[in-house]
Amino acid sequence: EVQLVQSGAEVKKPGESLKISCKGSGYSFTSYWIGWVRQMPGKGLEWMGIIYPGDSDTRYSPSFQGQVTISADKSISTAYLQWSSLKASDTAMYYCARHGDNFDYWGQGTLVTVSS
Amino acid sequence: AIQMTQSPSSLSASVGDRVTITCRASQGIRNDLGWYQQKPGKAPKLLIYAASSLQSGVPSRFSGSGSGTDFTLTISSLQPEDFATYYCLQDYNYPHTFGQGTKLEIK
Repeated sequence: EVQLVQSGAEVKKPGESLKISCKGSGYSFTSYWIGWVRQMPGKGLEWMGIIYPGDSDTRYSPSFQGQVTISADKSISTAYLQWSSLKASDTAMYYCARHGDNFDYWGQGTLVTVSS
Repeated sequence: AIQMTQSPSSLSASVGDRVTITCRASQGIRNDLGWYQQKPGKAPKLLIYAASSLQSGVPSRFSGSGSGTDFTLTISSLQPEDFATYYCLQDYNYPHTFGQGTKLEIK
């Protein structure tokens, strides 16, 4: 069974760093792109970027380029989304998803709250 | 970036109704489009991929059509569990882009 399991909710202060994770199982992790999607409170879905764990090829939306870093550790079948300096506007739910036939499997989401 | 314009942004309908949601791409995207359903507090769920292919396990009342720039998602006979928000996503080129969503509410 394909599963993507994300790390738990985070509460951070502005300026702090953060790395959230997405662990894949039940399939060949290195053979599918993994993407990240943001959903701000009460808003729609935003495509942030995507990584191919097989060779770490990474693509970003211009809206998120330079604001976040996407990475993967294929040895432990885990993808990451990280911030070096969080802002209050980063408060959102973040989903990872496997790109097979479009985004066919999704993680459960990680809620990130940034507040002073 | 390709813009996906989804309409309507909200829709009221009754159980048993036939409903159609549309997505228009700002340039041709072949059939590289998926449709998603999202319920409150839940991750999105893929319904349709490659514009018209039904994802495994999705009821056959859901169907998709279109190619190039114009796409539709049709629910043939609304069921109570179908009231949710629907999104399209183009994966023709990077960055992939979502439509702004259609909230389907009970009339």
